Amino acid sequence: GQNIDQPTEMTATEGAIVQINCTYQTSGFNGLFWYQQHAGEAPTFLSYNVLDGLEEKGRFSSFLSRSKGYSYLLLKELQMKDSASYLCAVVDSNYQLIWGAGTKLIIKP
Amino acid sequence: ETGVTQSPTHLIKTRGQQVTLRCSSQSGHNTVSWYQQALGQGPQFIFQYYREEENGRGNFPPRFSGLQFPNYSSELNVNALELDDSALYLCASSIDGTGNNQPQHFGDGTRLSIL
Repeated sequence: GQNIDQPTEMTATEGAIVQINCTYQTSGFNGLFWYQQHAGEAPTFLSYNVLDGLEEKGRFSSFLSRSKGYSYLLLKELQMKDSASYLCAVVDSNYQLIWGAGTKLIIKP
Repeated sequence: ETGVTQSPTHLIKTRGQQVTLRCSSQSGHNTVSWYQQALGQGPQFIFQYYREEENGRGNFPPRFSGLQFPNYSSELNVNALELDDSALYLCASSIDGTGNNQPQHFGDGTRLSIL
């Protein structure tokens, strides 16, 4: 079966750095997306990785290791507005998006 | 640039009824994907339409059906509604399917409640 694992919930402090991990076991791999979803809202695109390495985009960075089936999303200089769920999604061999259950990130002052 | 719009925003139905949800894709996008998202869970892939043809389907029964129109808008139809169908239904549009670096852009969803 296909499986994507993320921690259910994480807590961090405003101004700090947090790393959200994602491990996957899918039938094939054609890229990995990270999305942010605030409660009651639609997911919004954060990053895309298809090659190994780190992609940096402002305060957010995403890392991929295909050999390990592993990715992480790194959020720096945390702000209260970063409180949201972060979803990891893998494009499988059928070019379908397989989604993790999401990590709820709680930011404390 | 017009984003993805979904209607209705909220809907209440009873078991056994039928429902149609609608989605207008973002300008320039030819692919629409539908997802079911239960509370506290990630989206579950229902199916995808690319240039008016079904382009992949998830593990949902045949009572979930859809179509895409020439303007790339789309409908999701669910027959014989069950209590477990209560969820947020998300529509996402993109360019030329999935598997490239083009992200999916989501609408705000339709919250469906089955009584």
